[in-house]
Order: sequence, then C-alpha cells, then structure tokens
Amino acid sequence: KQEVTQIPAALSVPEGENLVLNCSFTDSAIYNLQWFRQDPGKGLTSLLLIQSSQREQTSGRLNASLDKSSGRSTLYIAASQPGDSATYLCAADPKNQAGTALIFGKGTTLSVSS
Amino acid sequence: DTAVSQTPKYLVTQMGNDKSIKCEQNLGHDTMYWYKQDSKKFLKIMFSYNNKELIINETVPNRFSPKSPDKAHLNLHINSLELGDSAVYFCASSPGISGNTIYFGEGSWLTVV
Repeated sequence: KQEVTQIPAALSVPEGENLVLNCSFTDSAIYNLQWFRQDPGKGLTSLLLIQSSQREQTSGRLNASLDKSSGRSTLYIAASQPGDSATYLCAADPKNQAGTALIFGKGTTLSVSS
Repeated sequence: DTAVSQTPKYLVTQMGNDKSIKCEQNLGHDTMYWYKQDSKKFLKIMFSYNNKELIINETVPNRFSPKSPDKAHLNLHINSLELGDSAVYFCASSPGISGNTIYFGEGSWLTVV
C-alpha cells in the first residue's frame, strides 16, 4: 500500500535562502505527484502537479521534480520570503482507477524569518 | 467566488449529538471528496463521489454517512459523535476521478466535548 513520507517535519530558514523539501513514496505506480500549501486555519492550495511522465514542473520561484524510479520528489523554493511560511504537503495519486484517492504525507512546516 | 465552500467552519458539540457538514462546489467538477485531518495534521481520505455515485469508502465508522444530492454537493452527516471525531474535515473536488488537480475547501473544525 502506498505510503508517503516527508522530511524534515519542520524547517526554519532566514529570508532569501534557497531550500529543498523532500517527499518519498513507496509505490512507483502513480498517476502524478502533487504539492500543496496549507496556511494555518485554511484549506490546501494546489502548487504544482507533476504527471508521472514528467521530470519537473515550475511555477514562479517553485520547482518540483519527480524521480519515479527512486520514489522521490523535491520541492525547491528559491529566494524564500516570510510569506512562504506555511505547511507544504505532497500527495501521490495512485494509478488511475476507481477506488483510489490522493495519499498525503504529513507535511513539512516551513518558517521563513525576516 | 469561493470554488469549494463548506459550512459550518467551526462546530462545537457534545458527545452523542448528530451533526452535518455541508459542501458545495461551483467548478462544475464531477468528483467530490471528504478528507479528515487529525490532531497530528495527517490528511486522510474518507469518501469520494463521482457524479453522485460513491466510489471510495475508506475504513470509516458507519456513524459517518455522506450524501450527494447532486454532483455539486456532498454533505457529511455524523451520528452519535465521539470525542475522537474531533478533527478538521475538508471537502474537495476535482474534474475527474484521478489525475487532476484537486481543489480544497477551507475546512470545518469539529470539536466534540
């Protein structure tokens, strides 16, 4: 059964630093890998979706990579800002079939200090 | 214009009560979900409906009953509430069963006392 792990659980960095958040999954049979952001008291906002056939996706200062063979994805945040402080969750979408849904990691809580 | 809206946002209730959380999406999506986020922030699927039909029903106590009157609505009814039901419940929707971006509501904070 698919399991998703995120390391580290929490990360504190000074403003301006580039950083990498890690996500690993146990079953490479995925349809896609998605990254979300969750602010305190709020829902999840989709950041990036990487299809299984893709290696990476970029949106502004965010770049997500996917290596299915090793069961890993990374979210790179360039030039971090205090507004990036949030919990970042990755989720694996199992192979396209009925009876499946996104399987989430427990998230990495990022704090960017000014 | 809220894409996925759920009500109430906060709910405090006593053990043994029955309560409902409502969800509506205006994105025209076919698939809707209920997720539960526990005190350790772990987010786990509970139910999923596609075009009003139940397609995912995870190991959830049968005190939880979803209802989808149409594909834009997915409500969650909980009978005989227990302390352990305290959590944040998120509604979400997506264009199809899988392979798509999923859109979440802002959550309903349920506290059972």
